[in-house]
Parts: sequence; structure tokens; C-alpha cells
Amino acid sequence: NAGVTQTPKFQVLKTGQSMTLQCAQDMNHNSMYWYRQDPGMGLRLIYYSASEGTTDKGEVPNGYNVSRLNKREFSLRLESAAPSQTSVYFCASSEYEGGLQAKNIQYFGAGTRLSVL
Amino acid sequence: AQSVTQLGSHVSVSEGALVLLRCNYSSSVPPYLFWYVQYPNQGLQLLLKYTSAATLVKGINGFEAEFKKSETSFHLTKPSAHMSDAAEYFCAVTRDSSYKLIFGSGTRLLVRP
Repeated sequence: NAGVTQTPKFQVLKTGQSMTLQCAQDMNHNSMYWYRQDPGMGLRLIYYSASEGTTDKGEVPNGYNVSRLNKREFSLRLESAAPSQTSVYFCASSEYEGGLQAKNIQYFGAGTRLSVL
Repeated sequence: AQSVTQLGSHVSVSEGALVLLRCNYSSSVPPYLFWYVQYPNQGLQLLLKYTSAATLVKGINGFEAEFKKSETSFHLTKPSAHMSDAAEYFCAVTRDSSYKLIFGSGTRLLVRP
């Protein structure tokens, strides 16, 4: 039972390079999320996808783009990496059931550690 | 706007001692509250959640939290710390109709032998 799988686990980029972080979930969840985690700041939402075919900006979307490829996969792209994007990135998924927010329990991947030099 | 404040970025306890991790929330509507745990080099796992059914919520690994509306608090406790509890703990809040979890800045729990 894999849950949420993120690739790669580690990545080093030079300023200006681009890359795509991949995320896949096998729980048949409708909603998926990308967060970044920085020391002392908790997790901040970058983008989310409430359901297949929809994406919305979160708290810190600048410098990122996302694609909800299908129900399973949600990728995060850095078009021109900057040192400020050095962080640990987490993907999560959840099953949101209408107004029953109580059931919006998010399940997280193991993270991608990205360094931008 | 909703927010979460976790008091103390680091908490250190002796093995067998009481664990108390503090979380205060700000919400203009009844909140849903969560505690997540993150072990080193791993993602976050749900410990417990409050959804208005009961004010005292029991979670995994012997943790529990009590929702106190008058104090706008949702502190996490465990009667007796174990070495395996060493991790970072995050409090989070959301409200009905929102997909978004708002996380606190986290508290790292250190357990001394």
C-alpha cells in the first residue's frame, strides 16, 4: 500500500534551471496538494487541486506551476529555480466529501528535498 | 482569517514524563483542528482530529488533545513520554467548506533518557 509517492527524493539545481516534482497517489482521492516546508514556518500551501481538472493557488504560488495530469497524479514545476525555493516539498491527498470537512484528512508523501544553488 | 500558534519551537522532556504541546487557534467560525506528527525524513502523519463530536480526542500512540473553546486551545498531551515520541508536531486548523489546512510553525519534541 504505497499511499502518496513523490519523486525525486533529493535534487540539487542551479539558479535558473527548471524541474518538475512528481506526485502520485493510489488511494483514489479527489483532492491533492503541494506544500513547502521551511524551518520555523510550518507547511505552506503552494497549490491545490480539489478534483481532477481543477487547480487553485494557495498561500505561496509565485514561481510555481502545477498540472493535475489525471486523478492519480499532480506535478509541481519550477520554471526558473531561485535560491529562495530551496525547501522540502510535500505532496498530499485527501478525500473531501462535500460539506463533511471533518473527513478531509490529508495523507502526505515522504517529501522532496530541493537545493537551489 | 484562521491561524494557529504553537508555543515553543522546542520542548524537552525526560522519558516517562508528561508531554504537553501547546496550540492556540484563531477562527471566526467553528474550527476543525488536527495534530500531525513528522518523524525525521518522513512526511506528516495524522495523530488525531477534532470535529466537534467530543471535546477530548484520543489519537494514536497514546496521545490525546482537549478542545477548549473558552481558551481557543487544542493542546496535545501524553501521560508518559517514550523515546520513540521524539519528532516534530504540527497543529493545523481548517473550517468547513475549505480545502485548506493552516499549519502552525511546529514544535520539536526531544525525549531525554
